[in-house]
Amino acid sequence: GNSVTQMEGPVTLSEEAFLTINCTYTATGYPSLFWYVQYPGEGLQLLLKATKADDKGSNKGFEATYRKETTSFHLEKGSVQVSDSAVYFCALSAFTGNQFYFGTGTSLTVIP
Amino acid sequence: EAEVAQSPRYKITEKSQAVAFWCDPISGHATLYWYRQILGQGPELLVQFQDESVVDDSQLPKDRFSAERLKGVDSTLKIQPAELGDSAMYLCASSLQGLAGGGNEQFFGPGTRLTVL
Repeated sequence: GNSVTQMEGPVTLSEEAFLTINCTYTATGYPSLFWYVQYPGEGLQLLLKATKADDKGSNKGFEATYRKETTSFHLEKGSVQVSDSAVYFCALSAFTGNQFYFGTGTSLTVIP
Repeated sequence: EAEVAQSPRYKITEKSQAVAFWCDPISGHATLYWYRQILGQGPELLVQFQDESVVDDSQLPKDRFSAERLKGVDSTLKIQPAELGDSAMYLCASSLQGLAGGGNEQFFGPGTRLTVL
């Protein structure tokens, strides 16, 4: 079946620190992979995505590379800001039906 | 920029009452999803529509939950009767394509925060 395992939080970093949030997946076939971000009291917003192996998604300084050999899609950012404080969700989409499977989320707090 | 609309944003009800949530997807999006998100967890799919047809409602508690999308546009999710354990965020999302292929971004609305007392 399809599932996503995400690094547990919460994560607390100082401003300008390096961020890594681990995500691994199990899937049948060739899924697409996504990172979504959720700010308090809001819905989910797409942060980045990758649709095939070795693709790198990037947005707002965040990056993640689709690694088929390690079934991973780790999220990274070189220098976090206070405004990056949010909950981050890794997700995969099955090829047929576009059904999404979400991880449990990782809460990030960035302190000045 | 087009957005998914949901209402109400917040709903407080007493157990055994009926509640309803409304979602208007982005224009042209054939696929609509309802999710339940318990605090501290990821969203869980309740029901997926392709146009007006239900394509997956395997996780919908059908004894108390119902969902419809009569004209293939907006949708309503109903709970009757509400129970304490239903307190959660209810998220609606839409995407361009569903059955024909994957990899399409889902666009989420702001959600309805339900509190059952």
